Amino acid sequence: EAGVAQSPRYKIIEKRQSVAFWCNPISGHATLYWYQQILGQGPKLLIQFQNNGVVDDSQLPKDRFSAERLKGVDSTLKIQPAKLEDSAVYLCASSSEGGLSNEQFFGPGTRLTVL
Amino acid sequence: AQSVAQPEDQVNVAEGNPLTVKCTYSVSGNPYLFWYVQYPNRGLQFLLKYITGDNLVKGSYGFEAEFNKSQTSFHLKKPSALVSDSALYFCAVRGETGANNLFFGTGTRLTVIP
Repeated sequence: EAGVAQSPRYKIIEKRQSVAFWCNPISGHATLYWYQQILGQGPKLLIQFQNNGVVDDSQLPKDRFSAERLKGVDSTLKIQPAKLEDSAVYLCASSSEGGLSNEQFFGPGTRLTVL
Repeated sequence: AQSVAQPEDQVNVAEGNPLTVKCTYSVSGNPYLFWYVQYPNRGLQFLLKYITGDNLVKGSYGFEAEFNKSQTSFHLKKPSALVSDSALYFCAVRGETGANNLFFGTGTRLTVIP
């Protein structure tokens, strides 16, 4: 079974530039998550989708971050404009359902460096 | 409010010795507890979870964890450590009520010394 795919793996940009990350979840998984993992910290949820609808985006900085999952499969996370403090690894995860007991399966992440 | 504490940033253990990685939590309602492992340049991998039932949970790669409700702890254990167990370990929790998202600790780096 193929895992969660993410691209690119690495991205370096200058502050105020824009960047986009792509995620393709495990086939059949209805729930998709985007996390931000700053160096030395645990992952922090940015947004959760159930199919193509947003379940939780309470921690997404909506003035600069946006995400979509138009067809309920793959997803894109965008940052516009980027700030220095956005330097982090952006992890995508999926699960078969959004239930409390379901484990999440993570992709390899995209490491973003903002200069 | 949900929180997870991993009190040790770093744990060193000799190969073949038992290992313990500590985790305590605070949630609303009953807890749903998870352990994940992160190897260099790879995403987090699920190890095990506690939902209900037996307090001792067995997971992947010989790891187990013990749920202790009175101490609000969920320590990760393994009877005999391998060098290949060296990685970053994260404890995570969801509460039965309140915020639905998975809340992660700051991680513990385990180094197994040959």
